Amino acid sequence: AQTVTQSQPEMSVQEAETVTLSCTYDTSENNYYLFWYKQPPSRQMILVIRQEAYKQQNATENRFSVNFQKAAKSFSLKISDSQLGDTAMYFCAFAKKTNTGNQFYFGTGTSLTVIP
Amino acid sequence: KAGVTQTPRYLIKTRGQQVTLSCSPISGHRSVSWYQQTPGQGLQFLFEYFSETQRNKGNFPGRFSGRQFSNSRSEMNVSTLELGDSALYLCASSFRGGATEAFFGQGTRLTVV
Repeated sequence: AQTVTQSQPEMSVQEAETVTLSCTYDTSENNYYLFWYKQPPSRQMILVIRQEAYKQQNATENRFSVNFQKAAKSFSLKISDSQLGDTAMYFCAFAKKTNTGNQFYFGTGTSLTVIP
Repeated sequence: KAGVTQTPRYLIKTRGQQVTLSCSPISGHRSVSWYQQTPGQGLQFLFEYFSETQRNKGNFPGRFSGRQFSNSRSEMNVSTLELGDSALYLCASSFRGGATEAFFGQGTRLTVV
């Protein structure tokens, strides 16, 4: 079974500062993906960034980057130059690498507030 | 290109009733997955349909069922509603079913009273 743990229920950061959200996971799979999704008050889950487990290089998308430590099963998200629009729930998620189903396993989420 | 559309956005039902939720995937997408989101349990996988066939199923009672039509639109049905079924129900669509290409809808907020 796969489990995803986010140990920070709530976090806040000053606008323009940097914040890191933590995520750990447990799996016996070798081929998988890890994701960070953002859920603003509109409720729609929006993909922030994803990482393929076999890639050693950490994924980066503009102000968002991850620190992927496969051996430690850790997958943290760093948001640089935080903006007010980054205020949202952030979910870490795991999915097996397969084309026969897109079942995600989600963490419990971190509520991030960007303070003006 | 239109996104994933879920209807209705909000729903209030009485305990014991049944409810049907709808999800229209992105045009061309053949896979639709359903998730239940509650404050206590977080996001949990219900089931996935691909080309009108249920391909994966989570650990939910038989009161939760679904189907997919030939145009890939999917419906989820919950019978004999319980207070604990109150949740945000999200669906995600993808072309082949891979997780890397999944797009989520805005969800249906179901309240059972």
